[in-house]
Amino acid sequence: QVQLQESGPGLVKPSGTLSLTCVVSGGSISSNDWWTWVRQPLGKGLEWIGEIHRDGHTNYNASLNSRVTVSADKSENQFSLKLTSVTAADTAVYYCATKDTGGFYWSRGSLVTVSP
Amino acid sequence: DIQMTQSPSTLSASVGDRVTITCRASQTIYSWLAWYQQKPGIAPKLLIYKASSLDSGVPSRFSGSGSGTEFTLTISSLQPDDSATYYCQQYSYLWTFGQGTKVEVK
Repeated sequence: QVQLQESGPGLVKPSGTLSLTCVVSGGSISSNDWWTWVRQPLGKGLEWIGEIHRDGHTNYNASLNSRVTVSADKSENQFSLKLTSVTAADTAVYYCATKDTGGFYWSRGSLVTVSP
Repeated sequence: DIQMTQSPSTLSASVGDRVTITCRASQTIYSWLAWYQQKPGIAPKLLIYKASSLDSGVPSRFSGSGSGTEFTLTISSLQPDDSATYYCQQYSYLWTFGQGTKVEVK
């Protein structure tokens, strides 16, 4: 069964770049179609950020489109999120996730705080 | 973009009650709908996928139904451990989540 674990700084300064990596274990990043990032501001609902296909194609949330990049490193079996020009509104728990025929798999989540 | 409207936003019910949460899509999503349970500080837990398929290990008191644009999550006999927030998610085109339903067990 696929397991996902994100890593990255828990604190980012305003106007900086948020960078997270999701390491995939128990399966290959080449096996599932899509690899996804979702976030959840504290006390609020879930927001889809974007995704990358195993062939490299990406889709992004239109509200974040100009600031977000999702990439993958097949050799390291991981995929990454970059969000530029962050503000306090980007403070949230960030999850990586994927789907296969058996259902959905999520990471435990990583709190990223945007603060000076 | 596909919008998901979930109702109610909160509900309070007693142990043993039958509880229903509704999710409506802005356009057809066929059966590409999932339901999650989330407790504070924990990642969402998958309950149902493909509208009515129960994920492994999920108690049988949870069930999902619907297709097209109207979907429901039913808890047949509410238990104290079911106190949580529940989200629907469409995955017909990209992903979109409902606003969530907070369930309180009296």
